[in-house]
Amino acid sequence: RKEVEQDPGPFNVPEGATVAFNCTYSNSASQSFFWYRQDCRKEPKLLMSVYSSGNEDGRFTAQLNRASQYISLLIRDSKLSDSATYLCVVNGGGGGFKTIFGAGTRLFVKA
Amino acid sequence: GAGVSQTPSNKVTEKGKYVELRCDPISGHTALYWYRQSLGQGPEFLIYFQGTGAADDSGLPNDRFFAVRPEGSVSTLKIQRTERGDSAVYLCASSLTSGSNNEQFFGPGTRLTVL
Repeated sequence: RKEVEQDPGPFNVPEGATVAFNCTYSNSASQSFFWYRQDCRKEPKLLMSVYSSGNEDGRFTAQLNRASQYISLLIRDSKLSDSATYLCVVNGGGGGFKTIFGAGTRLFVKA
Repeated sequence: GAGVSQTPSNKVTEKGKYVELRCDPISGHTALYWYRQSLGQGPEFLIYFQGTGAADDSGLPNDRFFAVRPEGSVSTLKIQRTERGDSAVYLCASSLTSGSNNEQFFGPGTRLTVL
């Protein structure tokens, strides 16, 4: 089993749609959680951190469920510019600082 | 200010050769990470430095891979006896401190092709 698993995608949605990505992780001792965005042939960039209380940044909402070891990302009112790969990231646990990325979920937003 | 830089941007080498990949982190960032990314996959953790020391090298695939950060700033990833399976984009990232909550800033990567 992979340490971080994501929906394989791709997701093809029209502009204005709401889309949700899911992620699960295997190490219950993991300490911090993130969503990164990666455009084609570019480096990953932080989209947002994820907290148990849930957090929102404009059209983006992230949620962490530690009991289920589950992370989600919701994008509302999708824009063409949201088209990218979204990477679920889990950090720490077991005394180390190893950062584990999921394989990513590709999103295509179409006009 | 300047972001993370990596050189070279592209490297083509022959099987069996030795290569060095360089990373210049953001000034003042004490934590530095190396990853490699294959097509269609997320970045795969290789090694993490806190200052000059490798705090976690559990991701290095075998003893052909080695990384140094002698002065706590620039880091070099060294690959000996390269194999075709080493072909990937090698990404470097830095963060301000070692805390696991800190954002990692990535460089543009070095695309390594082993023929």
